Amino acid sequence: DAGVIQSPRHEVTEMGQEVTLRCKPISGHNSLFWYRQTMMRGLELLIYFNNNVPIDDSGMPEDRFSAKMPNASFSTLKIQPSEPRDSAVYFCASKGSSNQPQHFGDGTRLSIL
Amino acid sequence: AQSVSQHNHHVILSEAASLELGCNYSYGGTVNLFWYVQYPGQHLQLLLKYFSGDPLVKGIKGFEAEFIKSKFSFNLRKPSVQWSDTAEYFCAVKRGGADGLTFGKGTHLIIQP
Repeated sequence: DAGVIQSPRHEVTEMGQEVTLRCKPISGHNSLFWYRQTMMRGLELLIYFNNNVPIDDSGMPEDRFSAKMPNASFSTLKIQPSEPRDSAVYFCASKGSSNQPQHFGDGTRLSIL
Repeated sequence: AQSVSQHNHHVILSEAASLELGCNYSYGGTVNLFWYVQYPGQHLQLLLKYFSGDPLVKGIKGFEAEFIKSKFSFNLRKPSVQWSDTAEYFCAVKRGGADGLTFGKGTHLIIQP
């Protein structure tokens, strides 16, 4: 079975550039989550969607960050403009009903120079 | 604010030693509890979860965890570790009624052959 698919796996870009991270959740899952992992702060929830609707975006660090879920099979996390402190691994996760665990993608390792 | 504490940031053990990784959380209401493992360069994988019922939960690869409500704890155990258990281990909590997970900072486990 296909798991959560994230792209790209690695992204290196210069500060000031726009970065778009992509996620395809597991088919049939109706909740999608974006997390950021850094050495200093560990894993942090940025935002999550239920049935394509953003429910809690309190973890989004700044207005430079935005996330969309235009349909049940696709979500994007965008950073514009990017800064070196945004360098991290960004994970997407999805789950089905409320009593199911989250399944994580392989992550996108983002480096902003 | 809800928090999850993992007491040991780094643990080094020899093969066949017994393992216990501590996890405490601060939320007093209904919670679901999880342990995830992240092998080097890989995504997070679910080891085990507690939703209700028997507080002693058995997971994959010989791991188990015990939910002690009075101590707000969910410690992870394994009676005899293997070199392949070298990884980062994350405890996570989901509050009842919420969907996002709050993660601990992680414990980096190194098993020496």
